[in-house]
Amino acid sequence: QVQLQESGPGLVKPSQTLSLTCVVSDGSISDGTYYWSWIRQPAGRGLEWIGRIYSRGTANYNPSLKSRVIISVDTSKNQFSLNLSSVTAADTAVYYCARGGPTRFDPWGQGALVTVSS
Amino acid sequence: QSALTQPPSASGSPGQSVTISCTGTINDIGGYDYVSWYQQHPGKAPKLMIFEVNKRPSGVPDRFSGSKSGYTASLTVSGLQAEDEADYYCSSYAGSDNVAFGGGTKLTVL
Repeated sequence: QVQLQESGPGLVKPSQTLSLTCVVSDGSISDGTYYWSWIRQPAGRGLEWIGRIYSRGTANYNPSLKSRVIISVDTSKNQFSLNLSSVTAADTAVYYCARGGPTRFDPWGQGALVTVSS
Repeated sequence: QSALTQPPSASGSPGQSVTISCTGTINDIGGYDYVSWYQQHPGKAPKLMIFEVNKRPSGVPDRFSGSKSGYTASLTVSGLQAEDEADYYCSSYAGSDNVAFGGGTKLTVL
């Protein structure tokens, strides 16, 4: 069963760029069957899809975040990454990576809490 | 504000059945048969329970079932068990490679 694990700084200053990486294990990110997504969840609130990427680099983003998001993939390291620029306190959330999108997400990583604060 | 509307809470006693609704529009639930449901226990990652309206991934008990009528999708949990107590989120494809999520429903097993 494929597993995903997020990593990255837990604290980011306002106006800076949030960067996270998701390492995929027990499966190949280059498997042409799947997309790979980022989803976030502010504390006590619901889920928000951020975007997805295909192993060949094609990416799609949530229109509400599109101007600030870049998702990239590194097939040699079997991982994909999220960059979210110009962050504010509203971007504080648990960030999940997941296989799939946009019709279903399975499995998910354990999540990474990112706090935006000076 | 979430794109899909779920009741904030639902409850039932062990052994009973509970249904959680998820209401959208023609642009999401009403337009596609791509509704999925996720279970999230406190501090844990969401887990896929239902996809494509009524399909269960391998390993999900058949006590969990999904359906859709018009702009509303539903998740039914039959034979409630204590471990079913969790937050449940619906999701729907919303066209143009976009995804909508519900705000979540906290299911309490009394």
